[in-house]
Amino acid sequence: DVKVTQSSRYLVKRTGEKVFLECVQDMDHENMFWYRQDPGLGLRLIYFSYDVKMKEKGDIPEGYSVSREKKERFSLILESASTNQTSMYLCASSLPHSNYGYTFGSGTRLTVV
Amino acid sequence: GDSVTQMEGPVTLSEEAFLTINCTYTATGYPSLFWYVQYPGEGLQLLLKATKADDKGSNKGFEATYRKETTSFHLEKGSVQVSDSAVYFCALGRNAGNMLTFGGGTRLMVKP
Repeated sequence: DVKVTQSSRYLVKRTGEKVFLECVQDMDHENMFWYRQDPGLGLRLIYFSYDVKMKEKGDIPEGYSVSREKKERFSLILESASTNQTSMYLCASSLPHSNYGYTFGSGTRLTVV
Repeated sequence: GDSVTQMEGPVTLSEEAFLTINCTYTATGYPSLFWYVQYPGEGLQLLLKATKADDKGSNKGFEATYRKETTSFHLEKGSVQVSDSAVYFCALGRNAGNMLTFGGGTRLMVKP
């Protein structure tokens, strides 16, 4: 069964910590995405990557960075976590064109205290 | 640019009721259309898709027909169950683009 795996389902971190959210896919997909989901705000794109070492800013990149050193892994980094980054984070992957749709991970619920 | 509009939720139904969740889109050309479902505390799962006009996607009793003349892709189910309670997202994708465009999501609550 093809999968997108997010390393943690739940995380609690302190304000100011550097936080790493990991995402791994086993489908040899070119594209990978990070979204955050908040009540009433839908899905908001943080960053995406269409190839190894390539990255593009999404709609809300401030306070985040990403790393894609290998095709199967896409990491989201919160450089200095803040309470307004408490959210559900969703990773997805896809083939090069969006008409194939995405495969999502199970999500990481991050709480910053 | 592309956009997807879904009906506002929550939609509250009794078990075995008929479900319709409206989805309309704005896009040039011939996008592919998708419905995703998100159960509580989970990521999104692909529910069904359609890639061209008049195609009908179906899965788990849910159906949606790609209507180019009305730019719509409404989700329907004849008899909902409590286990169908979730958030449903309509989305469109393009052959020439990397990203899906999502609607805002519609929460469905089914009561026994």
